[in-house]
Amino acid sequence: DVKVTQSSRYLVKRTGEKVFLECVQDMDHENMFWYRQDPGLGLRLIYFSYDVKMKEKGDIPEGYSVSREKKERFSLILESASTNQTSMYLCASKPGSYNEQFFGPGTRLTVL
Amino acid sequence: QKEVEQNSGPLSVPEGAIASLNCTYSDRGSQSFFWYRQYSGKSPELIMFIYSNGDKEDGRFTAQLNKASQYVSLLIRDSQPSDSATYLCAVILPAGGYNKLIFGAGTRLAVHP
Repeated sequence: DVKVTQSSRYLVKRTGEKVFLECVQDMDHENMFWYRQDPGLGLRLIYFSYDVKMKEKGDIPEGYSVSREKKERFSLILESASTNQTSMYLCASKPGSYNEQFFGPGTRLTVL
Repeated sequence: QKEVEQNSGPLSVPEGAIASLNCTYSDRGSQSFFWYRQYSGKSPELIMFIYSNGDKEDGRFTAQLNKASQYVSLLIRDSQPSDSATYLCAVILPAGGYNKLIFGAGTRLAVHP
């Protein structure tokens, strides 16, 4: 079974804090993704990575950065958290030649 | 216009009935089409995918694709209360050398006993 894990299920941070969200997959997948999910807006792609140390901007990268130093780990960084970044954050991974994405359990982030 | 559109619902059906979920997409370049199910507070899980025009059946689920009309639907036969969830339609779009997965906002299905 593919397993994608995220470091926290719930996180509460204050405005201006630096926030790290970690995602780890155990299936040697090349591609990893970070989405946020908001009511009425669906899942929106923040960043993705198709290889170690490679990253590409998604549809809403502003205010975020990412790091992929190892194949199994993809980190999302909020340099200075703001209240409009309160959301559910979902990590996903997939093999290179396949379209199905496998999702982690999600991190519900609240920025006060 | 959103790239992938779904009625937000809720779609309410009685137990045992057929639930019909619909999705339209705007880009004719869309290739592959997916249906994900998401229970409240959980992450999405893939239940069906379809690439070619026509129907694809898997157990109680049937995905239907009509590329000319740019819609994809999901039928759930013999609906059960355990099918109550949000169903997300997703479409693959080629974008600058990679495939981009675009999600609709989801339709909430409520199956009542």
